[in-house]
Amino acid sequence: DAEITQSPRHKITETGRQVTLACHQTWNHNNMFWYRQDLGHGLRLIHYSYGVQDTNKGEVSDGYSVSRSNTEDLPLTLESAASSQTSVYFCASSESNRAHEQYFGPGTRLTVT
Amino acid sequence: AQKVTQAQTEISVVEKEDVTLDCVYETRDTTYYLFWYKQPPSGELVFLIRRNSFDEQNEISGRYSWNFQKSTSSFNFTITASQVVDSAVYFCALSYGNNRLAFGKGNQVVVIP
Repeated sequence: DAEITQSPRHKITETGRQVTLACHQTWNHNNMFWYRQDLGHGLRLIHYSYGVQDTNKGEVSDGYSVSRSNTEDLPLTLESAASSQTSVYFCASSESNRAHEQYFGPGTRLTVT
Repeated sequence: AQKVTQAQTEISVVEKEDVTLDCVYETRDTTYYLFWYKQPPSGELVFLIRRNSFDEQNEISGRYSWNFQKSTSSFNFTITASQVVDSAVYFCALSYGNNRLAFGKGNQVVVIP
């Protein structure tokens, strides 16, 4: 069965370190998204991609970057982790049509100390 | 700009009571889609329903029902005869652009046995 996975599921890192969160989907979806979930804020869009070599900034992109070298993967990199980036991160994918729902990964809980 | 408002942050009900979650949205698009997702305590995001802006028929799925009213920009969700398994955070979302989603802040539903 097609799926979307994230790794690691839990990560503790120190302030200033570079961290990469992996997202892999086997739906063959062109669209992929990264969100962060914080209490009182719901889900906020960090970055998104509509296909290979395409990346775009979302509403809370500062301090984050993504790259899309193939259809299946959209890794999220925190260039220099900050305590404000402690959050739960969700990756999602969808077909290239806004009539279609997004499928979400299980999430990564990141703690920056 | 797209905006989704879920005013009630936490709602507690006794088992078997009905609960209605309000969702009000803002958009300038003439065609758009609305979604509801459920996030149980285990943390994953589960797609519940999609509604397009041209279809104002109410929908019922088991104990779940949705009331879409374009005139008031609302897409409300009712759980009838609530059960403990309904305890979760529920998110309303609005699509824009190429299937980006704007999420509300979520409703925490607590069903008391």
